[in-house]
Amino acid sequence: EILLTQSPGTLSLSPGDRATLPCRASQSISGNYLAWYQQKPGQAPRLLIYAASNRATGIPDRFSGSGSGTDFSLTISRLEPEDFAVYYCQQYGSASWTFGQGTKVEIK
Amino acid sequence: EVQLLQSGGGLVPRGGSLRLSCEASGFTFNTFAMSWVRQAPGKGLEWVSAITSSGSYQYYADSVKGRFTISRDNSKNTLFLQMDSLRAEDTAVYFCAKFPRGVIHSFDYWGQGTLVAVSS
Repeated sequence: EILLTQSPGTLSLSPGDRATLPCRASQSISGNYLAWYQQKPGQAPRLLIYAASNRATGIPDRFSGSGSGTDFSLTISRLEPEDFAVYYCQQYGSASWTFGQGTKVEIK
Repeated sequence: EVQLLQSGGGLVPRGGSLRLSCEASGFTFNTFAMSWVRQAPGKGLEWVSAITSSGSYQYYADSVKGRFTISRDNSKNTLFLQMDSLRAEDTAVYFCAKFPRGVIHSFDYWGQGTLVAVSS
């Protein structure tokens, strides 16, 4: 099973800042099947990025994904007030899906 | 508009059973694979189970294999999760989630979640 590590667990930033959230896999992810989700308290997760770098429908272009193999990242170019939330990476491989433990982006 | 409306959660004793439902609308249900993901209180997301569009193939996390059964009724646009031999560590909010068309690498729509609490 591929493990995903998201570090740091918390990022303290200000509105307008650039946020870079890393996600490292314990082994190479086939097909770069790495996705990113945003979750706010009491809500279901929302798909932001799929297959490492493709924005999901309706996602603003300030969100971008990059990376390949074992190292991936989500970048938010300029934080808006509504972007403060928890972000999870998720991988797929061999009929198994795993999530990272999440990074909370909080207001500094 | 895609909607996934969940029902069936609640409080259940350890060793008990519960069935979750997820009624889909806004898309052609019988052409999409579906899945269940859970989140323990204050914790991260954990994939639980997945099923192909026809229902022919099912997949389970090791933590629930042999105790949970995923199924679907394409005539009623509904996904199910039968949970037996429940343990305290199964306490979580359970989300149903839809895969995009033709692929199973990410979850593009989610239900609202339903809480399952297993009492000791």
